[in-house]
Amino acid sequence: GPKVLQIPSHQIIDMGQMVTLNCDPVSNHLYFYWYKQILGQQMEFLVNFYNGKVMEKSKLFKDQFSVERPDGSYFTLKIQPTALEDSAVYFCASSFGSNQAPLFGEGTRLSVL
Amino acid sequence: GDSVTQTEGQVALSEEDFLTIHCNYSASGYPALFWYVQYPGEGPQFLFRASRDKEKGSSRGFEATYDKGTTSFHLRKASVQESDSAVYYCALGASSGSWQLIFGSGTQLTVMP
Repeated sequence: GPKVLQIPSHQIIDMGQMVTLNCDPVSNHLYFYWYKQILGQQMEFLVNFYNGKVMEKSKLFKDQFSVERPDGSYFTLKIQPTALEDSAVYFCASSFGSNQAPLFGEGTRLSVL
Repeated sequence: GDSVTQTEGQVALSEEDFLTIHCNYSASGYPALFWYVQYPGEGPQFLFRASRDKEKGSSRGFEATYDKGTTSFHLRKASVQESDSAVYYCALGASSGSWQLIFGSGTQLTVMP
């Protein structure tokens, strides 16, 4: 079936550096999401994105975070600069319609040292 | 704010046992309720959802009924298999043009042969 792909599966960076997490959503999907899961905790919503714009964001979506999907390519989450508390697994998801349950990728584990 | 509570952090059963995982929610309005399952190293997979009182969702032998009176959406399966071992997440979504899902803390199900 259709899959959401996330690249890379694991990224290690030093605190203060910039990182970009890439998501290749299902090709005909229109709504895109990022969720964050700290080890041992539940998944938490960060942001959703439609028609080139952020629709909703949570308080976890700090000023250092940004998302974009230039020219229908990867849907990206950029963190600049990173902080230790950004260490987590970040899940990308997409859906065709707003009334469709999001399909999740396998996650990118981000380790900030 | 809206929230989801999963009572059991871990459940251990033998094959062919009956499964119940409890999920209660607190929300303003009339949220949709979801169950997702997450296998090790993978992203959450959508099981099913229900959007109105008394609606039953089901998939792969799992089922849950939306109960607005008791604000619950308990997951049940009549006869579990070892392959059902995974983490199960209850979630609620209040569509405001897009799905911002609020997840419970998850229940680790371990089924022994």
